[in-house]
Amino acid sequence: LAKTTQPISMDSYEGQEVNITCSHNNIATNDYITWYQQFPSQGPRFIIQGYKTKVTNEVASLFIPADRKSSTLSLPRVSLSDTAVYYCLVGDMIGGSQGNLIFGKGTKLSVKP
Amino acid sequence: DGGITQSPKYLFRKEGQNVTLSCEQNLNHDAMYWYRQDPGQGLRLIYYSQIVNDFQKGDIAEGYSVSREKKESFPLTVTSAQKNPTAFYLCASSRRDKSSPLHFGNGTRLTVT
Repeated sequence: LAKTTQPISMDSYEGQEVNITCSHNNIATNDYITWYQQFPSQGPRFIIQGYKTKVTNEVASLFIPADRKSSTLSLPRVSLSDTAVYYCLVGDMIGGSQGNLIFGKGTKLSVKP
Repeated sequence: DGGITQSPKYLFRKEGQNVTLSCEQNLNHDAMYWYRQDPGQGLRLIYYSQIVNDFQKGDIAEGYSVSREKKESFPLTVTSAQKNPTAFYLCASSRRDKSSPLHFGNGTRLTVT
């Protein structure tokens, strides 16, 4: 199982770009990298997913270097509403099983005015 | 709108009683999951099911039971054998393919006194 390491917490100010890096040194060939956002007392919400290089959607970008041993979630121009916990997951979806995905403690992002 | 519905949002029980948490999805997903989240912690997998009438134990299955009689439904029973049942319980679902992310419900907060 690919274990991930990410900072416990980060602080930022409104309007800044935030980059959260996740280390996954033992990532396997079939593993995808997926990021989720969780607000208090709610279920996590899918943000972005990638396999290699760069992926961008309407809310975030995901940068994955060639060796895939880390990944960086980039949130452009954060607002107070981006204050949440962000989880990085690495998993093998072969066979359709996501039972081996491990949610760590995530990174608690605090955005200040 | 498609999604996952967990009910109730808050549940209170006396110690020694079994309690069943409901999870229904209308996303036509084959796979469903139950996670437990304790304060300040990540999510831990209790049980998961990839197909109707089949399910597997996760990391912390002791004291819990599930059934998967219908594709749309994956109820979780917290039995009296679970030593620390008070927690936030999250249900999720996904397609059974390599890159399908998890879709979560908004959770049930169970308090046992």
